[in-house]
Amino acid sequence: GQQLNQSPQSMFIQEGEDVSMNCTSSSIFNTWLWYKQEPGEGPVLLIALYKAGELTSNGRLTAQFGITRKDSFLNISASIPSDVGIYFCAGQLGAGGTSYGKLTFGQGTILTVHP
Amino acid sequence: SAVISQKPSRDICQRGTSLTIQCQVDSQVTMMFWYRQQPGQSLTLIATANQGSEATYESGFVIDKFPISRPNLTFSTLTVSNMSPEDSSIYLCSVEDLALSGAKNIQYFGAGTRLSVL
Repeated sequence: GQQLNQSPQSMFIQEGEDVSMNCTSSSIFNTWLWYKQEPGEGPVLLIALYKAGELTSNGRLTAQFGITRKDSFLNISASIPSDVGIYFCAGQLGAGGTSYGKLTFGQGTILTVHP
Repeated sequence: SAVISQKPSRDICQRGTSLTIQCQVDSQVTMMFWYRQQPGQSLTLIATANQGSEATYESGFVIDKFPISRPNLTFSTLTVSNMSPEDSSIYLCSVEDLALSGAKNIQYFGAGTRLSVL
């Protein structure tokens, strides 16, 4: 089956630093999603990507859908303590607006931000 | 987006018993899913809850162990049957509906049910 490799597994950074994490897949996805999960909560959607090459921002977050459709990255600029959490990438075969489908999740990146 | 309520939020259960988890959405949705997140792990899809018919299970998950109901477009239940300590996980409900997300493929998650089996 499809697998997503997410890296790094964890990051310890100082407040104000930039963060980058990425996901690669053994096969193509038509939708890439990035979620954040905080303790005691379910995953919350940060950014959704639907086209190869697409670059999308949400505040200090920027994500890109790789040209090959087999990878995606998420950048967080000028990190703050509330960025702490687990970040998950997820791929979906469903094409934008036309179908539903199973999400395949990466292993997650645990982010710790030191004030 | 949608407001997704899961009950219970957490429970501690004895080996051999069963627990039913409820997922209620504040609007009608086309798709509802159940995921498992084992301690320190990522999310794995258990099944797609189909309204009015049997759920569609992923490889490694069976109806006898994880019976699912979906009587209407706003509600679903997942039962974890004959529990063992290996079933200790977070169980998450998610929903997807093109009307909620502006014709985009987006799944929204509940807060999860944290289950510990002794």
